[in-house]
Amino acid sequence: AQSVTQLDSQVPVFEEAPVELRCNYSSSVSVYLFWYVQYPNQGLQLLLKYLSGSTLVESINGFEAEFNKSQTSFHLRKPSVHISDTAEYFCAVFNQAGTALIFGKGTTLSVSS
Amino acid sequence: DAGVTQSPTHLIKTRGQHVTLRCSPISGHKSVSWYQQVLGQGPQFIFQYYEKEERGRGNFPDRFSARQFPNYSSELNVNALLLGDSALYLCASSPVRGDSPLHFGNGTRLTVT
Repeated sequence: AQSVTQLDSQVPVFEEAPVELRCNYSSSVSVYLFWYVQYPNQGLQLLLKYLSGSTLVESINGFEAEFNKSQTSFHLRKPSVHISDTAEYFCAVFNQAGTALIFGKGTTLSVSS
Repeated sequence: DAGVTQSPTHLIKTRGQHVTLRCSPISGHKSVSWYQQVLGQGPQFIFQYYEKEERGRGNFPDRFSARQFPNYSSELNVNALLLGDSALYLCASSPVRGDSPLHFGNGTRLTVT
């Protein structure tokens, strides 16, 4: 069965510092991976996705993630964070039937000045 | 285009009562899914509906039910509410049944007292 492990529950960083949010997955089938972001009192917003093709995927706001099949990882990175990046980040993978997302427990990114 | 809309945004119910949550998908999206997010956790899959039929069900008791209407909107019903049902209920839509990124609404915050 598919599963997702987010290795850090909280990541505090200073503004303009680089950050990496770690995600490992377990899957016996083709993998479709996602990162979602959740701001306080809001729903989930799709940040980026890996469906096929290039293993490095980028979002419009400077985040990137690399699909690593050998290490079963899909870590999220940003070279320089802003205060506005403070949020909860969820890594997710589709279940075997492709009908439901399985989410990790989330990583709270706290950016301070 | 409007995103996924959910109503109501907040709801307070008493144990044993019944609740109905509503969701309108993005125009053109035929698949609607429901997720429960307990505070501090990642979302958990409840149901997926596609073309008005249930296509997937998560590990939730029979007190939880849902349906999808001809216009692709959906309702989630929960009977005999328990304190543990207090959560953020998220609706998501996608254009196809599976392996397509989900677009989430802002959720309904249900509090059971």
